[in-house]
Amino acid sequence: AQKITQTQPGMFVQEKEAVTLDCTYDTSDQSYGLFWYKQPSSGEMIFLIYQGSYDEQNATEGRYSLNFQKARKSANLVISASQLGDSAMYFCAMREGSLTGTASKLTFGTGTRLQVML
Amino acid sequence: DAGVIQSPRHEVTEMGQEVTLRCKPISGHDYLFWYRQTMMRGLELLIYFNNNVPIDDSGMPEDRFSAKMPNASFSTLKIQPSEPRDSAVYFCASSLASRSGTWSTSGAYEQYFGPGTRLTVT
Repeated sequence: AQKITQTQPGMFVQEKEAVTLDCTYDTSDQSYGLFWYKQPSSGEMIFLIYQGSYDEQNATEGRYSLNFQKARKSANLVISASQLGDSAMYFCAMREGSLTGTASKLTFGTGTRLQVML
Repeated sequence: DAGVIQSPRHEVTEMGQEVTLRCKPISGHDYLFWYRQTMMRGLELLIYFNNNVPIDDSGMPEDRFSAKMPNASFSTLKIQPSEPRDSAVYFCASSLASRSGTWSTSGAYEQYFGPGTRLTVT
């Protein structure tokens, strides 16, 4: 079974509007962390936002917020006031179990390509 | 503050040749990760190190791949012999150890990625 599922291969959004990128995850652990990364056409991976499984509040970082619904196992990324520079691939990722040791690796989803239009 | 440094940025080689990819993590980071990205398989973790010790190499495709971390500031990923199916972008990433013992907002450090090495094997 896929650990991280991103069901939207591509999304379009008008400049200045908000957009939600979907991410669902599969884990039997109670302790885990969820991450979103952005990969522009230049290729680098840029960390955007993090949510811990014990956090009751949704994480926010500037125009990025993470809509965390634990019971549904979803961790959607919301980008407000989209800008042309937001056009990129977006990856959801998860770390499970112990914070250290063999559980420190990230499992990535297949990504969503976001295109911001004028 | 320098980020993760990878070299070379691009490598084109012929099948059968040895390829060595290099990575310098962010100073002070405890963890180093090697990933491979392809269109078909997405982002895959190959191996990661904690304090220079390999922790999990279950993602290394086969014996042709090897990775070393001789010190805290340098790691290599070697492919010998290379094959066309090894063509991909290889990323190195580093992170600190965890802030605390729980998965809270302050619980985990993110991984910082290098710019990647685009490998083409002909």
